[in-house]
Amino acid sequence: KNQVEQSPQSLIILEGKNCTLQCNYTVSPFSNLRWYKQDTGRGPVSLTIMTFSENTKSNGRYTATLDADTKQSSLHITASQLSDSASYICVVTKIRNSGNTPLVFGKGTRLSVIA
Amino acid sequence: SQTIHQWPATLVQPVGSPLSLECTVEGTSNPNLYWYRQAAGRGLQLLFYSVGIGQISSEVPQNLSASRPQDRQFILSSKKLLLSDSGFYLCAWSVGLTQSNEKLFFGSGTQLSVL
Repeated sequence: KNQVEQSPQSLIILEGKNCTLQCNYTVSPFSNLRWYKQDTGRGPVSLTIMTFSENTKSNGRYTATLDADTKQSSLHITASQLSDSASYICVVTKIRNSGNTPLVFGKGTRLSVIA
Repeated sequence: SQTIHQWPATLVQPVGSPLSLECTVEGTSNPNLYWYRQAAGRGLQLLFYSVGIGQISSEVPQNLSASRPQDRQFILSSKKLLLSDSGFYLCAWSVGLTQSNEKLFFGSGTQLSVL
């Protein structure tokens, strides 16, 4: 079954600290993995996209890693800011087969950064 | 540049009333269009997707329907709303998803409360 599991479900950290969010997936056949940031009451916004051959990708203070062998990804946030408070969603794209939709969403990790 | 418009932002409807949510995309041709629902504390659930005018695929049996009367217009409807239809509805578009440089862009969402 195609699934994306994220952990932790929620996380509270102090401003300026680092944190790492986890994503495990069983989606196959795999095409790429994306991390999205979703502010409360808004649509998700893409942070990073990684294909099978990419191990790491950075976007400012966000660094995503991918281990396609173990089917795990992480999102590391460095020097957190209050504006990082949001839900972070892991999305795995599978190679499209006829009649199937390609995206499998995780339930997200709710990050709260406090002063 | 491409933009996606979704309205209304919030909606309160009585049980049994009809629903019509509209989404339009500008700045691109023949996009893939999607309707997602996000219930409180849950991940994004794909409701419908469309690869072209008049082509609608339903992912989950439900009380809702979708239509694509124009290339860049996607409408989510219901004849009679249920309490369980409450949630945050997101429209999204993409031009393909299997390549690493192709993104899924979300609208700002509609918070629907059925009372």
